[in-house]
Amino acid sequence: DAGITQSPRHKVTETGTPVTLRCHQTENHRYMYWYRQDPGHGLRLIHYSYGVKDTDKGEVSDGYSVSRSKTEDFLLTLESATSSQTSVYFCAISALTASMDTQYFGPGTRLTVL
Amino acid sequence: SQQGEEDPQALSIQEGENATMNCSYKTSINNLQWYRQNSGRGLVHLILIRSNEREKHSGRLRVTLDTSKKSSSLLITASRAADTASYFCATVADSGTYKYIFGTGTRLKVLA
Repeated sequence: DAGITQSPRHKVTETGTPVTLRCHQTENHRYMYWYRQDPGHGLRLIHYSYGVKDTDKGEVSDGYSVSRSKTEDFLLTLESATSSQTSVYFCAISALTASMDTQYFGPGTRLTVL
Repeated sequence: SQQGEEDPQALSIQEGENATMNCSYKTSINNLQWYRQNSGRGLVHLILIRSNEREKHSGRLRVTLDTSKKSSSLLITASRAADTASYFCATVADSGTYKYIFGTGTRLKVLA
């Protein structure tokens, strides 16, 4: 998993509680992404970052916020978790240059909201 | 939804047979990529084809791209049980965004 770690790997929480997931990379790639994966939907982009403090929304951003204060860390926060946010969350990185524009994925975080 | 579509959703074949899966997308693209996901793991990049290419090979993989039809296909030849996984296409738009748009995936099962 190419220098990408996610923490925690598993989390069970209750509705209404805040949750923060962390993605850490050692590749110094500029672009970082958060996706959620649900049966029948494939991967859907939540938020992404194109540099420190530069972020933008993806397809399913409602209920999520992100922050990137360092190149290596990208945090995903669920301000008040809901059962619909039960999912597997993947972080990915990309250099997105002319010669290197593939994504490398972390191992995933399985989140259950009761 | 911006997501691409893949078909079939699921495919079951015997070891040694070829597997073909298709991807359709909605916007103009810079390139299209295929990824594999083994159960419970993150996605792994397989192959990339640029918008000005029509066909590309990598080992037992063959990818075609038809930009006029906004579609691509992935062929895995002489499949093995280890090819059992889900396969996703992803497109990178040519509009200067940094987003990858993934398809919904094809679940491939190769029977030994």
